[in-house]
Amino acid sequence: KQEVTQIPAALSVPEGENLVLNCSFTDSAIYNLQWFRQDPGKGLTSLLLIQSSQREQTSGRLNASLDKSSGRSTLYIAASQPGDSATYLCAVSSNNFNKFYFGSGTKLNVKP
Amino acid sequence: SAVISQKPSRDICQRGTSLTIQCQVDSQVTMMFWYRQQPGQSLTLIATANQGSEATYESGFVIDKFPISRPNLTFSTLTVSNMSPEDSSIYLCSVESTLQETQYFGPGTRLLVL
Repeated sequence: KQEVTQIPAALSVPEGENLVLNCSFTDSAIYNLQWFRQDPGKGLTSLLLIQSSQREQTSGRLNASLDKSSGRSTLYIAASQPGDSATYLCAVSSNNFNKFYFGSGTKLNVKP
Repeated sequence: SAVISQKPSRDICQRGTSLTIQCQVDSQVTMMFWYRQQPGQSLTLIATANQGSEATYESGFVIDKFPISRPNLTFSTLTVSNMSPEDSSIYLCSVESTLQETQYFGPGTRLLVL
């Protein structure tokens, strides 16, 4: 069974810092990997989707990388802002995109 | 993207009672999914609901405890039956994306069982 681990569980940084969130998974036979943002009472928002054949995706200040062979992904956030404060979830899907396995998340607090 | 709404957004219930959560989508979708997120834990898939067929439950979840309805292509309900405090969680519904490569999530229903 696929297991997804996220480190750290919580992170507090001052505004403006660059930071890295880590995600690891045990089964490299994935369909894709996705990073989500979860805000209280607002469900999940998709940030970046990386197909299994890709190595990275970028959107604005966010960059996500994927090393499928080692079972790792990182989410890099540049020049962090207080509005980035949220829980960040990593999810991998198996060969069937309908089956998502989620990590337990990294709760990020960016202090003004 | 799809716009998904859930009702209720939150509720406090007594043990032994049941709660039905509604999920409404603004477009027709084939597959809908129900997840549970227990406090401090990751999301876990409860079941997949296809219109016109029985829901498919994941290991550890049974229909008697979590009956699901899927009467049409834009609506689904999840009932949490005979609740106990261990059922206190956020329950989220999601739908497949049109490109069939990811899922869109609703805002969740926060349930507290006393």
